[in-house]
Amino acid sequence: SAVISQKPSRDICQRGTSLTIQCQVDSQVTMMFWYRQQPGQSLTLIATANQGSEATYESGFVIDKFPISRPNLTFSTLTVSNMSPEDSSIYLCSARDRVRTDTQYFGPGTRLTVL
Amino acid sequence: AQTVTQSQPEMSVQEAETVTLSCTYDTSENNYYLFWYKQPPSRQMILVIRQEAYKQQNATENRFSVNFQKAAKSFSLKISDSQLGDTAMYFCAFKNTGTASKLTFGTGTRLQVTL
Repeated sequence: SAVISQKPSRDICQRGTSLTIQCQVDSQVTMMFWYRQQPGQSLTLIATANQGSEATYESGFVIDKFPISRPNLTFSTLTVSNMSPEDSSIYLCSARDRVRTDTQYFGPGTRLTVL
Repeated sequence: AQTVTQSQPEMSVQEAETVTLSCTYDTSENNYYLFWYKQPPSRQMILVIRQEAYKQQNATENRFSVNFQKAAKSFSLKISDSQLGDTAMYFCAFKNTGTASKLTFGTGTRLQVTL
């Protein structure tokens, strides 16, 4: 199984600023994903991070607000731009297993609080 | 579109006892995958168990087993000999075959294991 790390694990930010979250996988993977989990809720997919091309965003999420980079097969970043208190959530990185490509593993999450 | 329903928002079980968490889903596909993920207070999403729909045999992983009823579109998780460390949110998830398909999560069941 893929081992996924995220940085930072948590942060408290001011309204109007931006935060970039990093996600590192211990092996090359084809597909990486970013999710948002609001307090007490289930996971909502933000976008699929594509290596070498633009991310594919889900309905309700836009590139200007959540720019994503994926420079190689083991690393991705998610930026939360121009933050407001409504962006306070846990952000989780996920990757598909290289062998069992139907199975996804998750990073430990980044808890973001926007004041 | 696929939907996943977890009808038990919260459950409680005593240590060493057995508990069953329910999950139903809706799909018109014949081949797909089902998963149970565990999210303890540390917020790390951990894959508990995975079931392939074309396999009739129920998946088991140590104290965790599933009761997969394909015709009824039911996928319940049984935890035997419950331990305090099993206290967590449990999410049921569905995925079609194919690399383009995405995970669909249920709303989760909060399980509390008590002494």
